[in-house]
Amino acid sequence: GAVVSQHPSRVICKSGTSVKIECRSLDFQATTMFWYRQFPKQSLMLMATSNEGSKATYEQGVEKDKFLINHASLTLSTLTVTSAHPEDSSFYICSARDVPNTYEQYFGPGTRLTVT
Amino acid sequence: ILNVEQSPQSLHVQEGDSTNFTCSFPSSNFYALHWYRWETAKSPEALFVMTLNGDEKKKGRISATLNTKEGYSYLYIKGSQPEDSATYLCAFKDSNYQLIWGAGTKLIIKP
Repeated sequence: GAVVSQHPSRVICKSGTSVKIECRSLDFQATTMFWYRQFPKQSLMLMATSNEGSKATYEQGVEKDKFLINHASLTLSTLTVTSAHPEDSSFYICSARDVPNTYEQYFGPGTRLTVT
Repeated sequence: ILNVEQSPQSLHVQEGDSTNFTCSFPSSNFYALHWYRWETAKSPEALFVMTLNGDEKKKGRISATLNTKEGYSYLYIKGSQPEDSATYLCAFKDSNYQLIWGAGTKLIIKP
């Protein structure tokens, strides 16, 4: 089956610094990638949708200048949390889809971000 | 506001017992209903994609039903095993392909 990887799996950073999270589709080309965050005991909340080679579409309430998303190739998308604050501490997970508008999306294992 | 609700939030089941839980979703603009199984530190695993009212799907000891007219889906696990312990997520996809997630049901199987 399709495999999506994320790196790093865990990261601890100091308040005010920036953190980059990578999402890679290992055995397929991902035309669309999604970034989610999950707070404890809550559902996955979609942050943004990115299509390869174009600007990401952010969900309402998600600051695009704070959460920078780049989808420069068909196998890689990155999420950069800029000027991180403790309230950004969360679980970030990406998913990828290889054919537009099909049912299935494949998830990465997630990245646990802790901002101290 | 579209809302997807899962109940119960958590569930303790004795090994060998059968169990089921619910996903409620909007009954309008339905496109598909997804069920995922998610273990901590692992990728969510797709269980079922259901698209038609009355759909019933089965994968081993796990099965699911779908009622799009009233907006609910049940997930059943027969003869629970410790490896079934996980969070089960449902996600509703509307006709605009927007995916809305429930908060999940955390299932714990007691040996």
